[in-house]
Amino acid sequence: QVRLAQSGAEVKKPGASVRLSCKTSGYTFTTYAIHWVRQAPGQRLEWMGWINGDNDNTAYSQKFQGRVTITRDTSASTVYMELTRLGSEDTAVYYCARDYYGSGSYYLDSWGQGTLVSVSS
Amino acid sequence: EIVLTQSPVTLSLSPGERATLSCRASQSVDNFLAWYQQKPGQPPRLLICDASRRATGTPARFSGSGSGTDFTLTISSLEPEDFALYYCQQRGSWPPTFGPGTKVDIK
Repeated sequence: QVRLAQSGAEVKKPGASVRLSCKTSGYTFTTYAIHWVRQAPGQRLEWMGWINGDNDNTAYSQKFQGRVTITRDTSASTVYMELTRLGSEDTAVYYCARDYYGSGSYYLDSWGQGTLVSVSS
Repeated sequence: EIVLTQSPVTLSLSPGERATLSCRASQSVDNFLAWYQQKPGQPPRLLICDASRRATGTPARFSGSGSGTDFTLTISSLEPEDFALYYCQQRGSWPPTFGPGTKVDIK
């Protein structure tokens, strides 16, 4: 069965960076794009960016452009998301999620369990 | 960026009743709209895509309709497991955006 297993919770200081992982299993890794979405406390879900399944093409929301980088390790079926210059407003649960149609649909059918990132001095 | 608004904020109903949730877009998104269900401590679950297409595994009591700027999610007869938060999401314009959610709770 499809599974996306995310890395554990992180506590960071303002100005630091965080790198989260999303290990996939149960399907052919190169067939589906992976997206990252975050949910701050009491806020709506926010789409951050994605990486294609069969190449390293990425796209990011303008809000995070310059601060977010999504990469992948095909041999490990794992996707990574790094967010730099953290501020308190980046405190949120970060999710990775699979593209429902494979690539470019932006509908998200299988989700990781979420990783809580807390930013505090 | 397209802004999605959802109404009502909270919908209080009893099991067996019909639920009607609304999502409105600030500009047309054609039919590129999805609905998700989220329960506390869990990630969202895709229910409907392309405004009216049920995702794999979505029960038939869930249906979606609409196009352009106005969309509806209908749950024909609420089951106990349907009491949750529901979000709409558009992919008709960059970047994809989500609505603030409608909470369906037990009356």
